[in-house]
Amino acid sequence: KAGVTQTPRYLIKTRGQQVTLSCSPISGHRSVSWYQQTPGQGLQFLFEYFSETQRNKGNFPGRFSGRQFSNSRSEMNVSTLELGDSALYLCASSLGKGEETQYFGPGTRLLVL
Amino acid sequence: QKEVEQDPGPLSVPEGAIVSLNCTYSNSAFQYFMWYRQYSRKGPELLMYTYSSGNKEDGRFTAQVDKSSKYISLFIRDSQPSDSATYLCAFSASKIIFGSGTRLSIRP
Repeated sequence: KAGVTQTPRYLIKTRGQQVTLSCSPISGHRSVSWYQQTPGQGLQFLFEYFSETQRNKGNFPGRFSGRQFSNSRSEMNVSTLELGDSALYLCASSLGKGEETQYFGPGTRLLVL
Repeated sequence: QKEVEQDPGPLSVPEGAIVSLNCTYSNSAFQYFMWYRQYSRKGPELLMYTYSSGNKEDGRFTAQVDKSSKYISLFIRDSQPSDSATYLCAFSASKIIFGSGTRLSIRP
């Protein structure tokens, strides 16, 4: 079974721009969660989507948004990029039944200049 | 008090040593306990998963859960340089909470 895939793998943007990241979950998984990982803050939860609906949300500003499509693929958007948004963005998929484990993709490394 | 506490390390041990990695938690609602391994510039990889108190073994890895003390551990026997990575504990109730990760380095 193919794992979680994320595109693009690397991205360089400038302040004020916006960016869209994509995640394809493991086949059969209906939940997709997004995380931001930085050396200082560790792994921070952004949001979770299940059946095209946001089910959980972390403490990030409204500049961070996401959506999920009917095939469970998900996108994350960050608008008005700031230098502090430079991070590894990870998505993880799971069956979505609430308590099972998550499987991570390789991440998208975003650098904001 | 933070929900999950994990010593960030770094922890450096010689090859062949037994490694002990630990996390404490405060939320009694946590029912699933996981360990992830993350190599540099890669996504976390699920290593061990358990939901009950006691030990679970998988090759050189043993996950230990003590629900009464709210304490979990990961033991690595016969550690190898390829085990050098960051290890994250994770806990699940309605959502998954991750520890901050412990950086482990195995010296050849």
